[in-house]
Amino acid sequence: GESVGLHLPTLSVQEGDNSIINCAYSNSASDYFIWYKQESGKGPQFIIDIRSNMDKRQGQRVTVLLNKTVKHLSLQIAATQPGDSAVYFCAEREPLVFGKGTRLSVIA
Amino acid sequence: EAGVAQSPRYKIIEKRQSVAFWCNPISGHATLYWYQQILGQGPKLLIQFQNNGVVDDSQLPKDRFSAERLKGVDSTLKIQPAKLEDSAVYLCASSSGTSRAGELFFGEGSRLTVL
Repeated sequence: GESVGLHLPTLSVQEGDNSIINCAYSNSASDYFIWYKQESGKGPQFIIDIRSNMDKRQGQRVTVLLNKTVKHLSLQIAATQPGDSAVYFCAEREPLVFGKGTRLSVIA
Repeated sequence: EAGVAQSPRYKIIEKRQSVAFWCNPISGHATLYWYQQILGQGPKLLIQFQNNGVVDDSQLPKDRFSAERLKGVDSTLKIQPAKLEDSAVYLCASSSGTSRAGELFFGEGSRLTVL
């Protein structure tokens, strides 16, 4: 079965607010995690990754947090914009195993 | 830089017919993947190639699905005969040895509808 999964299937946020998308994993030996974004009609696109020796990693407007104690990671998007509307997947490697995804809707 | 190219974008067939999808990865990318994405689900790996050799095909339904990557560049995925449950988007992705470990570059996919 899947070893990564997301807590909520949908998330709606107001434009300008921060978004938090959560993901749980079951394999304590997993050492690398990736977040992907998939817009409607397109293939998934890499956002950010994190290795298990890190707790936090920041990118442009995105931050990934990893809590190995409870096997949980989250993707935080600052100042959410309409262009952030998409389905977000967490994945572990290797090979990449995707969860079902969380659909983020941004309300203007 | 050109992205991963896939064709056709859409295909509608009846069950028991056959279909083939084509993928052209990013130039120089040695690793090529085929994923199946059923509506409302995350992509599921079907097969992974390294150059023209198969690395992982453990989730490929080999009684009806086949894939090849001749000359280590383009790849084709074939389904014969198709079943209703094969309706999905078939995504091709590629990566290189210089990419970030988990960074795959996906094409836009080929949407298959089996009636």
